Amino acid sequence: QVQLQQSGPGLVKPSQTLSLTCAISGDTVSSNSATWNWIRLSPSRGLEWLGRTYYRSKWYSHYAVFVKSRITINPDTSRNQFSLEMKSVTPEDTGVYYCAGEHGGGWFDPWGQGTLVTVSA
Amino acid sequence: QSVLTQPPSVSGAPGQRVTISCTGSSSNIGAGYDVHWYQQLPGTAPRLLIYGNSNRPSGVPDRFSGSKSATPASLAITGLQAEDEGDYYCQSYDSSLSLYVFGTGTKVTVL
Repeated sequence: QVQLQQSGPGLVKPSQTLSLTCAISGDTVSSNSATWNWIRLSPSRGLEWLGRTYYRSKWYSHYAVFVKSRITINPDTSRNQFSLEMKSVTPEDTGVYYCAGEHGGGWFDPWGQGTLVTVSA
Repeated sequence: QSVLTQPPSVSGAPGQRVTISCTGSSSNIGAGYDVHWYQQLPGTAPRLLIYGNSNRPSGVPDRFSGSKSATPASLAITGLQAEDEGDYYCQSYDSSLSLYVFGTGTKVTVL
């Protein structure tokens, strides 16, 4: 059974960088059949897919256009986890951030427990 | 912002049947991309409820069913129970935006 455990700070100051990590158990970040995703839920914008990383003979990362210039999703094979970094955050980036796995069918399962990130001075 | 449209809320008495619609466009659901559904109970992360339009993962009661003929897709809950109260989201893929898209979310209330 695949499980995802998130970690990272819940408060980030405006203009700074948001950093979250998602540890994987029951699967590997280097799996050739999975993608590893970050998704955000906010009151104003609902659920938004932010991006993903995955391995298919080499590493790939894809990002949603609306955040592409600000985010990086990286794998960490030594710790079997992946991370999200979002720079230059504003209060609009406040929300609950989830990591999630996707195994080839286009649906997300499992999900991490979620991290409420508040962007405030 | 959400690309797929759902009703903000639906409600029903215990034991009744409720349905939630998910309306998209020609670049997502109308283009033939599958629809998936998630249940988010208060204080928890979303949980996969239906995948590939109409398939239930192991452990999901058969009271939940999904269908997709064109658009809108829909989720039905029969034999509504108090434990079903929460938010429900549909999800698909959009080829013009090149990203996964979610519905606006529907709050289910058991009267």
